[in-house]
Amino acid sequence: AQSVSQHNHHVILSEAASLELGCNYSYGGTVNLFWYVQYPGQHLQLLLKYFSGDPLVKGIKGFEAEFIKSKFSFNLRKPSVQWSDTAEYFCAVTGSSASKIIFGSGTRLSIRP
Amino acid sequence: GAGVSQSPSNKVTEKGKDVELRCDPISGHTALYWYRQSLGQGLEFLIYFQGNSAPDKSGLPSDRFSAERTGGSVSTLTIQRTQQEDSAVYLCASSLTTGGGNQPQHFGDGTRLSIL
Repeated sequence: AQSVSQHNHHVILSEAASLELGCNYSYGGTVNLFWYVQYPGQHLQLLLKYFSGDPLVKGIKGFEAEFIKSKFSFNLRKPSVQWSDTAEYFCAVTGSSASKIIFGSGTRLSIRP
Repeated sequence: GAGVSQSPSNKVTEKGKDVELRCDPISGHTALYWYRQSLGQGLEFLIYFQGNSAPDKSGLPSDRFSAERTGGSVSTLTIQRTQQEDSAVYLCASSLTTGGGNQPQHFGDGTRLSIL
C-alpha cells in the first residue's frame, strides 16, 4: 500500500538547535517527494521538492532534504532553527505518472525562543 | 487573485443538511485536488480533476460526497446529509500538469466545516 510515515508527531527545540524530521514512504516505482509547511494561520506551502538528480535538495529558509532510495527516506534538515520555523511540516510523495499525492500525518515543530 | 481561493472560509451547519464548498484554482492550472484535514490527522486525498473530468475519485469517503468542475476552472465539493464525522478542514489545491506527477500543488486556505 502507498503510504508516508512521519514518526515524529511533535518536536520541541530551542532556537539555534539542529533539526531533522523523519519521513519514510512506501511507494512502488519512481517517486517525486515533497515537503510542505503550514505556518500558524496560513495555508500549506511548498518547502522543497525532489524529482531527480542530486538527492540532496535545498529549499527555502535554509531547509534541505536528502533522498535515500535504499532507505525509502526523505528526511528534512536545518542546521539552526529559528522561532519563526514554528509550524507543521508535511512530507508527501507522488509517482512518476500519478497525480494523486499522498501526505504524511505531519510533524508539529515548536521552537522555544 | 494570485492564489487558490476557497469559500466559505468557515461553515457551521446542522447534522443532516447539505453543504457546498467552492474552490477557485489558480488561472491556467488544469489539475485540481480536494483534501480533508481532520483534527490531529494528516491530509486525506478525496478527489482529483484533470480539466473537467475526475480520473481518481478513490478518496471520496462515501456516496454522500460528490464533486464537479465546470469550465476547467471552479470546482464544487458537495456533502449531502452531513454527519458529525464530516467536520474537518477541506482543502483545495491546484497545479499545472504536464504529466509525470511532478508539479507542486498550490493550496488554498481551506474551508473549516463544523457539523453540529
